[in-house]
Amino acid sequence: QVTLKESGPMLVKPTETLTLTCTVSGFSLNSARVGVNWIRQPPGKALEWLAHIFSNDEKSYSPSLKTRLTISKDIPKSQVVLTMTNMDPVDTGTYYCVRLRYDWNYFYYYMDVWGKGTTVTVSS
Amino acid sequence: QSVLTQPPSASGTPGQRVTISCSGSSSNIGSNFVEWYQQLPGTAPKLLIYRNNQRPSGVPDRFSGSKSDTSASLAVSGLRSEDEADYYCATWDDSLSGWVFGGGTKLTVL
Repeated sequence: QVTLKESGPMLVKPTETLTLTCTVSGFSLNSARVGVNWIRQPPGKALEWLAHIFSNDEKSYSPSLKTRLTISKDIPKSQVVLTMTNMDPVDTGTYYCVRLRYDWNYFYYYMDVWGKGTTVTVSS
Repeated sequence: QSVLTQPPSASGTPGQRVTISCSGSSSNIGSNFVEWYQQLPGTAPKLLIYRNNQRPSGVPDRFSGSKSDTSASLAVSGLRSEDEADYYCATWDDSLSGWVFGGGTKLTVL
């Protein structure tokens, strides 16, 4: 069974750096054509893509947040880590990690399994 | 402002068929597959449709997806009270080199 679990601080102060960890099970971050996305959702608002990392270590970031984000993975620990610098109250929301599954017949990735999310509040 | 455009709300009575639209552009829907996600209140999104019209195992065939040019649609037939949720479309955007979402549609079963 594939599961992803997000962890991190529930509360951070403005200007601080947020570090979130996604621990996966049921699949390996080293498997061919596998990836993990980070998605966030402000309270009552829509989903927003933040970053992804693939098994070949290819990474990509949201253009609007690129300067603040870093994504990495620790294969032995089965973890993907996202850091976001200079946190602001507008960054308050639920942060999800999501598995990227590869469709070998059509050569594309799609998000199939989501973690339950972790809620982050940015406040002094 | 989301890259993909969805109506903010949709509604129907039990047993009815409801359609939710998702409009994009040539750089996203026009050149990539579309997924749909269902988010029940207080829970994480769940994959409903992938590759425009494919259902993962366990998703009822009451849910169907379609795509034409730069737009996609999700249809829910035989509407049930448990279908009340937010629905999001998503796809890859070649210009942004990242995933984009619609603003979400809140489906209400009257």
